Amino acid sequence: QVQLVQSGAEVKKPGASVTVSCKASGYTFINSAIHWVRQAPGQRLEWMGWINPANGVTGYSQNFQGRVTMTRDTSASTAYMEVSSLRSEDAAVYYCVRVTKYHFEYWGQGTRVTVSS
Amino acid sequence: QSALTQPPSASGSLGQSVTISCTGTSGDIGRYNYVSWYQQYPGKAPKLIIYEVNGRPSGVPDRFSGSTSGYTASLTVSGLQAEDEADYYCSSYAGSDLWVFGGGTKLTVL
Repeated sequence: QVQLVQSGAEVKKPGASVTVSCKASGYTFINSAIHWVRQAPGQRLEWMGWINPANGVTGYSQNFQGRVTMTRDTSASTAYMEVSSLRSEDAAVYYCVRVTKYHFEYWGQGTRVTVSS
Repeated sequence: QSALTQPPSASGSLGQSVTISCTGTSGDIGRYNYVSWYQQYPGKAPKLIIYEVNGRPSGVPDRFSGSTSGYTASLTVSGLQAEDEADYYCSSYAGSDLWVFGGGTKLTVL
């Protein structure tokens, strides 16, 4: 079965960077885009962007352009999402999601990122 | 990109029906039949319940149905059950490899 397993919770200081990983299994990793979605405490889901694991091409929401970088390691069937210059508003649960056509079908368990001095 | 507009809350009694709206623009809901809906319990990852406006993934009860009209998508939950109490989010493809979510609706079962 399709599974996306994310890395564990992180605590970072303002201005630092954080990288969240997402290991895929149960399907051919390069055949489906991986998207990232975040959810601040008590807030809505916010779409961040996507990566095509086959060629590394990415697309970002304008809200995150320039501060978020998505990469992948095809040999490890793992996608990565880095957020730089962290600020308090970046405290959230970050989800990786496998998209099927245009809907978010398979979700990782989420990674909580805390930003605190 | 602006978030799709959902009512913050909705409610209905056990066994009744409730409809949650999701309003977008001519660039997303009004242009593409790629509206999807997600159910989220506290502390859990969202779960896909409707895709491509009215498609239902395997295992999702047929009490859940979707539709669109103009720039507005709707999720209807019929025969409300206690376990339907959750947050619901809509999403739409917005063209140019961009996606957008709604603000979320908290459904209370009375």
